Amino acid sequence: KQEVTQIPAALSVPEGENLVLNCSFTDSAIYNLQWFRQDPGKGLTSLLLIQSSQREQTSGRLNASLDKSSGRSTLYIAASQPGDSATYLCAFFSGGNEKLTFGTGTRLTIIP
Amino acid sequence: GAVVSQHPSWVICKSGTSVKIECRSLDFQATTMFWYRQFPKQSLMLMATSNEGSKATYEQGVEKDKFLINHASLTLSTLTVTSAHPEDSSFYICSARDVGDLIQPQHFGDGTRLSIL
Repeated sequence: KQEVTQIPAALSVPEGENLVLNCSFTDSAIYNLQWFRQDPGKGLTSLLLIQSSQREQTSGRLNASLDKSSGRSTLYIAASQPGDSATYLCAFFSGGNEKLTFGTGTRLTIIP
Repeated sequence: GAVVSQHPSWVICKSGTSVKIECRSLDFQATTMFWYRQFPKQSLMLMATSNEGSKATYEQGVEKDKFLINHASLTLSTLTVTSAHPEDSSFYICSARDVGDLIQPQHFGDGTRLSIL
């Protein structure tokens, strides 16, 4: 059974800093990995998706990496802004039954 | 991009009431939809997989008779919380699988906050 852990559970950093969010998983047989953003009381916004054959994806100030051998994915946020404050979730899609397994989430606060 | 509409966004009702939540794919057909539950400050937990024209597949520990799922068309799935009680209060999120999208696995609705008094 896939277990997905995100550390830290909460993170506060001053505006402008670069930061890294971590996601660890136990089963390397993944089809793809996705990073989501969730604002309080809202649904999920997809940020980046990495296919199993890829190692990273970039979108604007965001860069996500995937290392299947070590069971890790990271989300790098450059030049953080107060608007980046949200909960960030990683999720793994193992294909087959199409289930997404979500991580425990990291609650990010950017201090102005 | 693909849009999933979830309605209502927020509902408050008395204990014992049954509540229906709708999940619609607006611009694509979804043979499969998923229902998640999220407790405060926790991650999403899959409740069930909804398949168009057939019975839903429930995850272990989810009561089928409590959470009724119907997926009667390729664009609509409904979740009915029957005889809701305060412990059913939670944030419910649906997602839909776009069969024409070979990359993006699921598209999510904005969620429904259910509060049972």
